[in-house]
Amino acid sequence: DTGVSQNPRHKITKRGQNVTFRCDPISEHNRLYWYRQTLGQGPEFLTYFQNEAQLEKSRLLSDRFSAERPKGSFSTLEIQRTEQGDSAMYLCALGEAGIYGYTFGSGTRLTVV
Amino acid sequence: AQKVTQAQTEISVVEKEDVTLDCVYETRDTTYYLFWYKQPPSGELVFLIRRNSFDEQNEISGRYSWNFQKSTSSFNFTITASQVVDSAVYFCALSEDGSGTYKYIFGTGTRLKVLA
Repeated sequence: DTGVSQNPRHKITKRGQNVTFRCDPISEHNRLYWYRQTLGQGPEFLTYFQNEAQLEKSRLLSDRFSAERPKGSFSTLEIQRTEQGDSAMYLCALGEAGIYGYTFGSGTRLTVV
Repeated sequence: AQKVTQAQTEISVVEKEDVTLDCVYETRDTTYYLFWYKQPPSGELVFLIRRNSFDEQNEISGRYSWNFQKSTSSFNFTITASQVVDSAVYFCALSEDGSGTYKYIFGTGTRLKVLA
């Protein structure tokens, strides 16, 4: 058990549709991160929460993307008006202090057709 | 600017061979952290090791060892007596202290294939 549950595992959607992914920490962590990994690449930072506050967003996170972490527990990542370029693995990671190494979830693989 | 380079895209070895995965990083910070992660075919990223910039001691954990050299900005990873189960993509990552975010900059990964 990784300590991070991500749902759904796979999502296929038509271009232009909205999608929402969810990240559920199994135990309490004050830091939560979202990353995106495209085929053949390393994960890229999208955004970071400290408890319920979203403290940093990457330039990769266009205005079609929004993330929330109500009550500092689970988090959701929504993509509006999906594009084929959004096809990727979306990873959630937790860390009490990031320097000790994150715990990653298994990710949600998004395919936009 | 921060950057992590893993020049080896793919390596194939025969079981029981030793293999070294290279990682070169760039950073302006004096305090930073380096990591290695393993991504098996199942897709989940598995934490292997963390090193901070103040600690240049090499580390050994079973068949795994890491060589950190600040002078060459490298943090290389060696697997001794490789096994088929070591087949995976391995990522090196850098995290800087400056912003307090501790976000990671990942390399592009090295795919290791261990043949029986």
